[in-house]
This record gives sequence, C-alpha cells and structure tokens, in this order.
Amino acid sequence: LAKTTQPISMDSYEGQEVNITCSHNNIATNDYITWYQQFPSQGPRFIIQGYKTKVTNEVASLFIPADRKSSTLSLPRVSLSDTAVYYCPGYTDKLIFGTGTRLQVFP
Amino acid sequence: GAVVSQHPSWVICKSGTSVKIECRSLDFQATTMFWYRQFPKQSLMLMATSNEGSKATYEQGVEKDKFLINHASLTLSTLTVTSAHPEDSSFYICSARGVDGYEQYFGPGTRLTVT
Repeated sequence: LAKTTQPISMDSYEGQEVNITCSHNNIATNDYITWYQQFPSQGPRFIIQGYKTKVTNEVASLFIPADRKSSTLSLPRVSLSDTAVYYCPGYTDKLIFGTGTRLQVFP
Repeated sequence: GAVVSQHPSWVICKSGTSVKIECRSLDFQATTMFWYRQFPKQSLMLMATSNEGSKATYEQGVEKDKFLINHASLTLSTLTVTSAHPEDSSFYICSARGVDGYEQYFGPGTRLTVT
C-alpha cells in the first residue's frame, strides 16, 4: 500500500518560506509524486508534480531526493491565503490520501 | 486544464430518502472516475473506483448497495446515496482520470446534509 506520512500541522508567518516534507516509503518505481492543496469545502487543487530532483512552477517547488523515499514541498513567501491543508497522496492506480498537513499562516 | 464539475454543490435531504450526485468531466473523456468522502477535519477517504461501462469497485467497508455508482458515459458518473441517514452527512468529492491514464482531476465537492 502506497501510504504516505507527513506532519499533521505547521504554523508560519506571512513572508516566510514553508517546507513540508512527506515520506513515501512504499513508492513504486514508475510513480510520480504529486502535491495538492485543499481549502475548506472545496475539492483538492493540484499544486505540483515531479519524479526526481527538483521541479518548480509559479507557486511552489518540489524537491525529491535520489532514493525518492521522501519529497519536500516548498512554498516561498507564504501569505494568509496559503492557509490550507496540503496533501501528498500515495498512488496505487488511484490516489490514496493520508492525513495531510494543516498549514496556518499568521500575519 | 481539465475541468470536473459536480452537481449539486450542496443538498439537504430527509432521513430515509435517496439523493443523487453527478460528476462530469467537461473537457476530456474520463475513462476512470473516483468517489471520495470527507468528514469535517478529516482527510479524503476513497469510496469507490468506476470505469466507464463497468461495475464500480468499492473500497473495504463501503456498502455497495447503499452507495450506488453509475459510470455510463465517458463524461458522467453518478453517486446515489440510498436510504440516507444523518451519519451519511459528509462532503463527497469526485475525481476523474482521462485516457492518458495518470493524473486525477478533482471536482469541487458536494455537501450532503441528512436531517
């Protein structure tokens, strides 16, 4: 079972960089790593996806070490609107969501 | 990008009645659709997977006779909660995967309240 593990919650302040790490101990060779953001009463929103090394888009960066057993989502200079739950679901032909990380950004 | 819609966005029904939730892929063909349920402050729990034209595959502990899933076309899947009870009140989210076979696109969710 491709279960992932991540911290339950994190706090930050506006303008800071936030790094959320996810453990992917059972990741399969062909699986990509994907991160989602979810606001209350909304469906998950795709943030970023990668296979190895580093991927960057307009909202985040994703760091994946060579062994691919973990990944780190990096949010540069967070704002209050980044307060949300962040998920790194496991994948076994379907996305399996773990606890997610509840990020609270303070002014 | 790929868009998935759900209808209704929220629904209130009385205990014992049935309610149907629709999930549509608007700009792509969804060979596989997924239904998740999410209780307050909890994560998404996968309920079932359906492939177009086939019977749905339910996750362990999900009653297939209570949660009827139909995926009759490549753009529409429906979830019917039969004989709903207050404990079925939850946020139901569908997800769709296209013919390219990997990425899942999520709908906005449907809030079901059973009184």
